[in-house]
Amino acid sequence: NAGVMQNPRHLVRRRGQEARLRCSPMKGHSHVYWYRQLPEEGLKFMVYLQKENIIDESGMPKERFSAEFPKEGPSILRIQQVVRGDSAAYFCASSLDFGDTQYFGPGTRLTVL
Amino acid sequence: AQSVTQLDSQVPVFEEAPVELRCNYSSSVSVYLFWYVQYPNQGLQLLLKYLSGSTLVKGINGFEAEFNKSQTSFHLRKPSVHISDTAEYFCAVSADSSNTGKLIFGQGTTLQVKP
Repeated sequence: NAGVMQNPRHLVRRRGQEARLRCSPMKGHSHVYWYRQLPEEGLKFMVYLQKENIIDESGMPKERFSAEFPKEGPSILRIQQVVRGDSAAYFCASSLDFGDTQYFGPGTRLTVL
Repeated sequence: AQSVTQLDSQVPVFEEAPVELRCNYSSSVSVYLFWYVQYPNQGLQLLLKYLSGSTLVKGINGFEAEFNKSQTSFHLRKPSVHISDTAEYFCAVSADSSNTGKLIFGQGTTLQVKP
């Protein structure tokens, strides 16, 4: 029973490029959360999605960041025109239903040069 | 709004000694409480959670935590630590009235177990 999968595990981008982070939830889970962990800090909520719907994006930066969770395929966190301040670990979590335990993936570590 | 404070950024302790990692929260509504552990370069693993009922919660790897509503605390304890417990520990809350279930995390506590 595979857990939450994230790829790539490490991603290096130059300033101005785009970063696409993928998250495949646990089998049967239709709720996905994205969190960001800046160096030496705790995790900060970014966005909560259900299949084809963004439920809460209160933690997303207003510009350059977007997320989707299509009917088929993984959830995608997209960062356009990356800047050095975007360097962080991005974690995805999934749950079976609203309010259930969230299971975390191994994270994608983004480095912006 | 909810917030979480982990009072110690680092806790050094010798192997087989007891340890307590402190967590305080603030919230105007009832909350669910969680402790997660993060090993180097890995994701977060759930140690234990408090939703309701008994205030003493037992988790994996011999950890336990006690919910104290009057002190708004949820401290994590282990009577005897191992070298393998060296990791980052995060306390988190989720408002039970939230319509999203999003977690609010503390800053983390690094547990360093020395031989």
